[in-house]
Amino acid sequence: DTAVSQTPKYLVTQMGNDKSIKCEQNLGHDTMYWYKQDSKKFLKIMFSYNNKELIINETVPNRFSPKSPDKAHLNLHINSLELGDSAVYFCASSQDSTGYAEAFFGQGTRLTVV
Amino acid sequence: QQQVKQSPQSLIVQKGGISIINCAYENTAFDYFPWYQQFPGKGPALLIAIRPDVSEKKEGRFTISFNKSAKQFSLHIMDSQPGDSATYFCAARGADSNYQLIWGAGTKLIIKP
Repeated sequence: DTAVSQTPKYLVTQMGNDKSIKCEQNLGHDTMYWYKQDSKKFLKIMFSYNNKELIINETVPNRFSPKSPDKAHLNLHINSLELGDSAVYFCASSQDSTGYAEAFFGQGTRLTVV
Repeated sequence: QQQVKQSPQSLIVQKGGISIINCAYENTAFDYFPWYQQFPGKGPALLIAIRPDVSEKKEGRFTISFNKSAKQFSLHIMDSQPGDSATYFCAARGADSNYQLIWGAGTKLIIKP
């Protein structure tokens, strides 16, 4: 069983489209995250939810909207996609939001905007 | 300052050699320093972590050396193997109210057979 699974693995779409990435964790963790990894491998946190409540909302365009229907799921919706949104997006989860807990990452979603 | 500086950006080591990756920070409130390993096409995974009350932590061939006064910590991979080829990230538990991890820029390590 995959601990943190995200779908789709690859996403190719045209500029201006709206797309969603889904994430689910079966670890019973309280905290979930979305990270963006650019072409230089730099990891940037975008959002964090703890028990369905938003606790970290970094400076990202408001075209990006996370949604957590329950603590096992954290989805990412992106409106009006731009070329610069092309990256690998990782979902992750951890036992808690203390910062000490190990983060478990999904396999990533490679988004290509053409 | 909420920054972690990691070097080198890339590193090539011969099989059997020692790989060393360095990280430095400014904020003395940081109190937990994990290293994550990322293989191509995969998400990062926790490799080893240290708290500032110890100067060294070893797990198998992987060792973290921590110098609190210099505000530096490093990852040493002994007897490096081709299977260790990956991108390595250092991180620090942030000191703001969110306690998010502050990530280094990553080091691409290649072990030559």
